[in-house]
Amino acid sequence: AQSVAQPEDQVNVAEGNPLTVKCTYSVSGNPYLFWYVQYPNRGLQFLLKYITGDNLVKGSYGFEAEFNKSQTSFHLKKPSALVSDSALYFCAVRESGGSYIPTFGRGTSLIVHP
Amino acid sequence: GAVVSQHPSWVICKSGTSVKIECRSLDFQATTMFWYRQFPKQSLMLMATSNEGSKATYEQGVEKDKFLINHASLTLSTLTVTSAHPEDSSFYICSARIAVVEEQFFGPGTRLTVL
Repeated sequence: AQSVAQPEDQVNVAEGNPLTVKCTYSVSGNPYLFWYVQYPNRGLQFLLKYITGDNLVKGSYGFEAEFNKSQTSFHLKKPSALVSDSALYFCAVRESGGSYIPTFGRGTSLIVHP
Repeated sequence: GAVVSQHPSWVICKSGTSVKIECRSLDFQATTMFWYRQFPKQSLMLMATSNEGSKATYEQGVEKDKFLINHASLTLSTLTVTSAHPEDSSFYICSARIAVVEEQFFGPGTRLTVL
């Protein structure tokens, strides 16, 4: 079975400060991990993914995420937050070799204050 | 990048009527499409997975006779909400999967309001 947890419903950060949105996962084998962003009344936009290779993955809009196998985490980070980064962020996981249907976290609302 | 469109972007209908939502992959062929439902400030709820030319696979608790899914071609899937009721009001999102790059591409969503 595969599962993903986003422990924070909301993250608040001041513009210009670094941001972190947390994600932990559980799979039986190797994970494929994804981050998506959703703006109000819009569909999800792909940010980045980890399939294999370097643990640090760089994605769109200056976001990056680090795969940590020992901590089963895939936290999303950005060095300097923008007000326009305010949105809903979803982490997703699926097990390599398992079902191709990913499991999504419940989402974390990121609010960047001017 | 790959683009997925949905039509309509919003629809208001009377209780008891049926509503069809289209999901198209514009510049790629999608062997698998997914339909999600999202309530306000909540996560995505997978409703069903559809593969081109075959019957959709519905998640537990989703009524297949109420939410009819047709995946007639590699670029088009439709979701029909039959005999809609106010509790069906929601944001419906489709996505299409490209297996070779291990990515899902999402449509912009359809806001359904049933009066």
